[in-house]
Amino acid sequence: GNSVTQMEGPVTLSEEAFLTINCTYTATGYPSLFWYVQYPGEGLQLLLKATKADDKGSNKGFEATYRKETTSFHLEKGSVQVSDSAVYFCALISNAGGTSYGKLTFGQGTILTVHP
Amino acid sequence: SQTIHQWPATLVQPVGSPLSLECTVEGTSNPNLYWYRQAAGRGLQLLFYSVGIGQISSEVPQNLSASRPQDRQFILSSKKLLLSDSGFYLCAWTGRGDYGYTFGSGTRLTVV
Repeated sequence: GNSVTQMEGPVTLSEEAFLTINCTYTATGYPSLFWYVQYPGEGLQLLLKATKADDKGSNKGFEATYRKETTSFHLEKGSVQVSDSAVYFCALISNAGGTSYGKLTFGQGTILTVHP
Repeated sequence: SQTIHQWPATLVQPVGSPLSLECTVEGTSNPNLYWYRQAAGRGLQLLFYSVGIGQISSEVPQNLSASRPQDRQFILSSKKLLLSDSGFYLCAWTGRGDYGYTFGSGTRLTVV
């Protein structure tokens, strides 16, 4: 079956530090990959996505590259801000079998705290 | 534009009481609908999904049930809550052939 493994948190950084949150996956077929962000007390928001190998998703200074050879989709940001403090989820949808619905498989989430 | 509404935002219920959480989508038709649960300190687990009115698929055996009485309405229910039902419940929708999920703002359920 499909699975997503994220680096365990929590991750604590100072403002302007470099961020990497590792994500690896196993999936049947050719999955689409996502990063979602959950700010305190809120639901999930799509941060970025990539739908095929070597695609780079980017948004709000965050980037992640779909690496099929290493089955990875690591999230990076060059300079984090206090406002980036949130929980980050890596997720995938496998389109194997051509199903008409897409069930997201999530990683366990990584808590990021950024201090001034 | 499409919006998704989920309520209530927070709920405290005693063990053994019933539960009804509602989710509605506006601005689209025939969406795929999903209920996820996020237990404290853990990731998100898909509970139910629906591809049409009256069509419900359950991902994990549990104390909960779901119904879709109308195209854009998705309800999560329980006849008797357990302590282990506590968590953060999220409703989501996608369009047909579209993998862009939109999540509701969630309901934090505490069973006491």
